Amino acid sequence: NAGVTQTPKFQVLKTGQSMTLQCAQDMNHNSMYWYRQDPGMGLRLIYYSASEGTTDKGEVPNGYNVSRLNKREFSLRLESAAPSQTSVYFCASRQARENTEAFFGQGTRLTVV
Amino acid sequence: QKEVEQNSGPLSVPEGAIASLNCTYSDRGSQSFFWYRQYSGKSPELIMFIYSNGDKEDGRFTAQLNKASQYVSLLIRDSQPSDSATYLCAVNWSSNTGKLIFGQGTTLQVKP
Repeated sequence: NAGVTQTPKFQVLKTGQSMTLQCAQDMNHNSMYWYRQDPGMGLRLIYYSASEGTTDKGEVPNGYNVSRLNKREFSLRLESAAPSQTSVYFCASRQARENTEAFFGQGTRLTVV
Repeated sequence: QKEVEQNSGPLSVPEGAIASLNCTYSDRGSQSFFWYRQYSGKSPELIMFIYSNGDKEDGRFTAQLNKASQYVSLLIRDSQPSDSATYLCAVNWSSNTGKLIFGQGTTLQVKP
């Protein structure tokens, strides 16, 4: 039971470098999410994809882009990393129905120096 | 102002006491609400969800919802040290958008 799988688990980037965080789910879920978590800030929504073929901005989209590659995969790209993007990133997925649980990946700890 | 507000705490209660965690939200169109628990260094896990006004009980946990006041709460009865964690309130934003917004979380400490 893989559930939601994120790669990598840890990453250190230099300011200005780019990278893509990968997320895949094997639960046939329609909706997928990217959050960042900073101390005392809870989970802040970066982007989400309510269904395959759609993506929408969340609360803090600046500096990020996303791709819903297919139903299983939802990637998050940092084009030019900044120290302010140092955070723990979580991917989540759930069915499109409102009263359904979101399942989370194990998180990616990203440090930008 | 965040769209989903929680008191960040820490909330400290003695073992065996009732812990009360609160959450307010700004969107009147929201219909379903979730409580997640997150241990340090781990991913959030669902405790329970609620979508009807009133109380919903699951073991030692009770979720309470008041849509008129835009308020949702979680009560933990007979608190245990293992309940020490951060509790996150999540709101399904405006019916059928798929957008899921979290509060900043409340850190609960249960002291033996």
